[in-house]
Amino acid sequence: GDSVTQMEGPVTLSEEAFLTINCTYTATGYPSLFWYVQYPGEGLQLLLKATKADDKGSNKGFEATYRKETTSFHLEKGSVQVSDSAVYFCALIPFSGGYNKLIFGAGTRLAVHP
Amino acid sequence: NAGVTQTPKFQVLKTGQSMTLQCAQDMNHNSMYWYRQDPGMGLRLIYYSASEGTTDKGEVPNGYNVSRLNKREFSLRLESAAPSQTSVYFCASSTTGAKNQPQHFGDGTRLSIL
Repeated sequence: GDSVTQMEGPVTLSEEAFLTINCTYTATGYPSLFWYVQYPGEGLQLLLKATKADDKGSNKGFEATYRKETTSFHLEKGSVQVSDSAVYFCALIPFSGGYNKLIFGAGTRLAVHP
Repeated sequence: NAGVTQTPKFQVLKTGQSMTLQCAQDMNHNSMYWYRQDPGMGLRLIYYSASEGTTDKGEVPNGYNVSRLNKREFSLRLESAAPSQTSVYFCASSTTGAKNQPQHFGDGTRLSIL
């Protein structure tokens, strides 16, 4: 079945460092891809999305490019802040099937220190 | 703007007890979802309701029942709680059940079964 694999955390960075969180997927056809963020004590929020190959999603300085050839959707940010500390989830919606079914990766915890 | 509201935020139950988790959204969304979040596993869909009056099983429905009380409210019931149901439960909603509609999440209910 369709699945999402993320790099294990925690990822610990200093403020202003470059961030990459790897995400790869297994799916038939062309799924839609998402990154969600969960701040401590809160629910998930949609960070960005891409619905077709080579699309780049971006928001709040974060970017991710839908790479069909490598089945990847890596999350990047050029300069992280302490306020970016959170858990980041990569997710997909399968190409087949008629409803809004999100399949999540296990999540990657990011800790940014001053 | 409340968004998706879940009650209670925390609950401890004994094995065999029953409980209903409540969820309400004020965004006039048609579709609602219940997920559980377990360490190292991301979020998994328990049940969803594409529209008022309909409910369908997700990935892990065993041991749960749901009720779409009206357009705003979608409750999750544990009839006989088991320790394996210890988890954080999230409710979400989206404009419709069509693919790629952003899902808006509540802050979660942390449930412990002793």
